[in-house]
Amino acid sequence: ELKVEQNPLFLSMQEGKNYTIYCNYSTTSDRLYWYRQDPGKSLESLFVLLSNGAVKQEGRLMASLDTKARLSTLHITAAVHDLSATYFCAVDRGGSEKLVFGKGTKLTVNP
Amino acid sequence: NAGVTQTPKFQVLKTGQSMTLQCAQDMNHNSMYWYRQDPGMGLRLIYYSASEGTTDKGEVPNGYNVSRLNKREFSLRLESAAPSQTSVYFCASSEWAQGETQYFGPGTRLLVL
Repeated sequence: ELKVEQNPLFLSMQEGKNYTIYCNYSTTSDRLYWYRQDPGKSLESLFVLLSNGAVKQEGRLMASLDTKARLSTLHITAAVHDLSATYFCAVDRGGSEKLVFGKGTKLTVNP
Repeated sequence: NAGVTQTPKFQVLKTGQSMTLQCAQDMNHNSMYWYRQDPGMGLRLIYYSASEGTTDKGEVPNGYNVSRLNKREFSLRLESAAPSQTSVYFCASSEWAQGETQYFGPGTRLLVL
């Protein structure tokens, strides 16, 4: 059974600081997704990582994938208040369309 | 383009009542999905449809049925609602075979009393 674990589940940080959210998964998978969700809203796609060593960056967010370690990271650089949201990683079940989501990391960026 | 639309946005049901949640997408995607989101649980897949005319169970299918009406529309039916089905329901679509992300609808908040 595929399990997806995110760490930390809650993260409070100051503006201007850097931090990393970790996503570990338990079985082989080809694809990893990162989403953002604002309170009471839907999910917004951030990144799709399709291969080992994939790295993608958008603004202050950078995601990477290490399929051998079964680990993805979402790195936040010089955080700003607008990045406050819940971030989810999701992994497919080895070639299947069935995504398994982590429980999410609630990020709060304080002024 | 509207993307993925869902109706209704909010619904209150009594235990035992039935209802259908509607989902439509205008991106010509083959794949469509239904998820539920509960506090502290992330999203869990209920059912998905890889193409028109096919459906398959996800992680939590019990108590639900689905219909892929055509390429655009994918409905979720609760035949006899239970309080445990109180949740936020999201529909999504993607062109999975192309390595695309899933695009999510705005969600339906369902309260079962």
